[in-house]
Amino acid sequence: TQLLEQSPQFLSIQEGENLTVYCNSSSVFSSLQWYRQEPGEGPVLLVTVVTGGEVKKLKRLTFQFGDARKDSSLHITAAQPGDTGLYLCAGERGNNRKLIWGLGTSLAVNP
Amino acid sequence: GAGVSQSPSNKVTEKGKDVELRCDPISGHTALYWYRQRLGQGLEFLIYFQGNSAPDKSGLPSDRFSAERTGESVSTLTIQRTQQEDSAVYLCASSLGGTDTQYFGPGTRLTVL
Repeated sequence: TQLLEQSPQFLSIQEGENLTVYCNSSSVFSSLQWYRQEPGEGPVLLVTVVTGGEVKKLKRLTFQFGDARKDSSLHITAAQPGDTGLYLCAGERGNNRKLIWGLGTSLAVNP
Repeated sequence: GAGVSQSPSNKVTEKGKDVELRCDPISGHTALYWYRQRLGQGLEFLIYFQGNSAPDKSGLPSDRFSAERTGESVSTLTIQRTQQEDSAVYLCASSLGGTDTQYFGPGTRLTVL
C-alpha cells in the first residue's frame, strides 16, 4: 500500500500546454515536498509546503497544499521541454525525518 | 566538490557477493541519509546519520545491510551476500542539519545477476 499516491503516473504533452499532477494521501503530513529527478541524477528539491491551503509559486510552477494537509498538487503553465523529468512528492509526519515518497509522475514535454 | 558524490556510479555483481557503496556528503553537512530506489517503487529510507548521535537504522531491510559513517564525512553502505532483489539505485543525501533541505547524490545503480 502506497501512503502517497501520485497521478497520473505518466504524462506526455506538447510544449506550451498546461498540466497538473497530484499527490494524495489519507494521512496528514506536517510538510510535503516536491522534487524533480532527471535520469541518472538524484532528486532535486523544488519546494516545501507546510501550512494547509498554502500556495507557492516557482516561475511557471504552482504548488498547493490541501487544507487538511493530506494532498498536494503541482501545476505547470506553458510547459517546456526542459520541464521533462520525474516529479516526486514526499511527505514528512511530525518531525520524523524519514520521508514517505510517492512513486512519481513521469512527464515528457515534446517540442 | 560542491555536491554530494557517490561511487561507483554503476556496479554489477554476482548473487552472493558483497558490495560496498560510498557517499561523500557536502562538506559541513551533519546529516546523511541512504535511500533505495527500486524500479517501479518509491524511494525507501534505509538509514540516517546525524552528527555523533546513534544512527537511525530502522529502514534497513535485513541484517545483510549495514552502513558506517566516520564523523561527519564519508559514509559506506555495505550489502553482504547480495540477492537479485537488492538490484536498485542507491541514493545518498546530506543536509546541513536534521531538519534542513536534503541534497541528493547521483546514486549508484546496483545490478545483481
